[in-house]
Amino acid sequence: QVQLQESGPGLAKPSETLSLTCTVSGDSVSGYYWGWIRQPAGKGLEWIGRIYSSGNTNYNPSLKSRVTMSVDTSKNQFSLSLSSVTAADTAMYYCARGPGIRAIIDFWGQGTLVTVSS
Amino acid sequence: QSALTQPPSASGSPGQSVTISCTGSTSDVGGYNYVSWYQQHPGKAPKLMIYEVSKRPSGVPDRFSASKSGNTASLTVSGLQAEDEADYYCSSYAGSYNVLFGGGTKLTVL
Repeated sequence: QVQLQESGPGLAKPSETLSLTCTVSGDSVSGYYWGWIRQPAGKGLEWIGRIYSSGNTNYNPSLKSRVTMSVDTSKNQFSLSLSSVTAADTAMYYCARGPGIRAIIDFWGQGTLVTVSS
Repeated sequence: QSALTQPPSASGSPGQSVTISCTGSTSDVGGYNYVSWYQQHPGKAPKLMIYEVSKRPSGVPDRFSASKSGNTASLTVSGLQAEDEADYYCSSYAGSYNVLFGGGTKLTVL
């Protein structure tokens, strides 16, 4: 069973960069797409982007200018950086396996709450 | 790109059936057979319930079924049970390696 665990600061200051890491266990990151999805409190899901184990990335067009994703196959981890954050970026951030070619997200982390505040 | 459109709420009594719609466009729902549905209980991560329009992952009860017609996908929960009370989200491939989610539907079991 694939398990994912998000880690990183729960607080970010406005205009700074939010950085999160997802550690995968139960399977290798190799050969799969891995993604980030966020959910503001009481609101819906928003796809942030995905990265293939080779390092190829695709980002949500609305966030593309601020998002960078990376993968470390030796550590079985992948990461998210979101720059120039504002209060609107306050949300629960989930890492997940997928979406792949068929846009399926089949395993999710438990999520980590990131608050943007000075 | 706008989120897919879902009704904010739906409800039904135990044992009944309820259908939740997810409306997009020819650029997403109508253009690809890559619609998924996710169930999210309060404080929990979403769970994949349906993929590729109508396929169920292993372990998902067959009370959950789904289909698509044109630009609208639908999720039907039959034989409603108390544990089905949750938020449900649709998602669709939207071309150019983009994925859209619906706004979510809160399903209440009366």
